[in-house]
Amino acid sequence: GQNIDQPTEMTATEGAIVQINCTYQTSGFNGLFWYQQHAGEAPTFLSYNVLDGLEEKGRFSSFLSRSKGYSYLLLKELQMKDSASYLCAALSGTYKYIFGTGTRLKVLA
Amino acid sequence: DVKVTQSSRYLVKRTGEKVFLECVQDMDHENMFWYRQDPGLGLRLIYFSYDVKMKEKGDIPEGYSVSREKKERFSLILESASTNQTSMYLCASSLARGPRQPQHFGDGTRLSIL
Repeated sequence: GQNIDQPTEMTATEGAIVQINCTYQTSGFNGLFWYQQHAGEAPTFLSYNVLDGLEEKGRFSSFLSRSKGYSYLLLKELQMKDSASYLCAALSGTYKYIFGTGTRLKVLA
Repeated sequence: DVKVTQSSRYLVKRTGEKVFLECVQDMDHENMFWYRQDPGLGLRLIYFSYDVKMKEKGDIPEGYSVSREKKERFSLILESASTNQTSMYLCASSLARGPRQPQHFGDGTRLSIL
């Protein structure tokens, strides 16, 4: 079957580094997306990986291992505004995006 | 910037009513999607469309239908609303061609069925 797993909730301190993991099982894998969703708002695109390795974009980085069906999102120099849910989504084929349930991140002062 | 606009942020309807949720995107995207988002279940795909008048069922199409008469507009229809359709509904769009095409989401419609 097709499945995505990510932790339900994480807590970290302002200024710290946090890693949010995501494991997936999907046929026709065509890339892994990370989205950020603040409470009551739309998900917004953060990053995309289709090849193995690390993609860096400012304070956010995303890693993919296709052989392990594993990805992580790394957030550095955490700020209070990073408190949000982070959604992992695998693209299966051309149209089918399979979403995880999201990881709710709380950043504490 | 891509703009995906959903017609209502909040909507309250009664059981048995026919409900229309509208979504418009302004970036000429081929693909459009309707999801519902429920706590602990994540985003679940209801229907998607890859072209005008084309539609495909997602994972939970029962009780819903869609319409795409124009490229920029994708409507979700609850034929006879039931209380278990109370949820947050999210519309998204994406380009069909080229790599790294993320979905762009609307702000969502929080629908309550009484």
